[in-house]
Amino acid sequence: DAKTTQPPSMDCAEGRAANLPCNHSTISGNEYVYWYRQIHSQGPQYIIHGLKNNETNEMASLIITEDRKSSTLILPHATLRDTAVYYCIVRPGATSLTGGGNKLTFGTGTQLKVEL
Amino acid sequence: GAVVSQHPSWVICKSGTSVKIECRSLDFQATTMFWYRQFPKQSLMLMATSNEGSKATYEQGVEKDKFLINHASLTLSTLTVTSAHPEDSSFYICSARDSRDAKNIQYFGAGTRLSVL
Repeated sequence: DAKTTQPPSMDCAEGRAANLPCNHSTISGNEYVYWYRQIHSQGPQYIIHGLKNNETNEMASLIITEDRKSSTLILPHATLRDTAVYYCIVRPGATSLTGGGNKLTFGTGTQLKVEL
Repeated sequence: GAVVSQHPSWVICKSGTSVKIECRSLDFQATTMFWYRQFPKQSLMLMATSNEGSKATYEQGVEKDKFLINHASLTLSTLTVTSAHPEDSSFYICSARDSRDAKNIQYFGAGTRLSVL
């Protein structure tokens, strides 16, 4: 799986948009960008994923650059409950017969702190 | 989203005893489940991939005889930490993917905090 690079920490004011960047310059054609977050002492939570088009759901938006070498997760109106470690992971989206494509390799992520 | 239940959420045990952790997919079938371990202030590390009806696949450096994994049904996988020692104290987290979902999303349990005295 391609390696990702994220800033170790970011701060955001409550009510403002939180924009979390991720670099994945070695991403290959069949790899998707997945975002998860982990609130302290809990299991990770799936947020969103995409291949090349921008995606939006009830939690966030995902903007992927045209060359797919980087992406940005956007939380449009951050709240205190969005304080968490956010992980950007690149991996194949389709089921792999060998099972290897199903692995999630977690990096160090970005610690987002939302403050009043 | 899909729900994964993990039990217990917290366990304290004496050194040398064994501890079993259960991971259940509540509203979907999971032919594949995953077990992770997380030490304080560190990221999640994959320990093993659990396959329904077959042997688990362990990551390099993970002792299969110490961390026994059983995936006997499409909704349940168990991790047994055998002869636990203080260095096994950690946060253990399972995840599962819906076998019928092409999106390849893993859903995580809430985790089990193991403290070995």
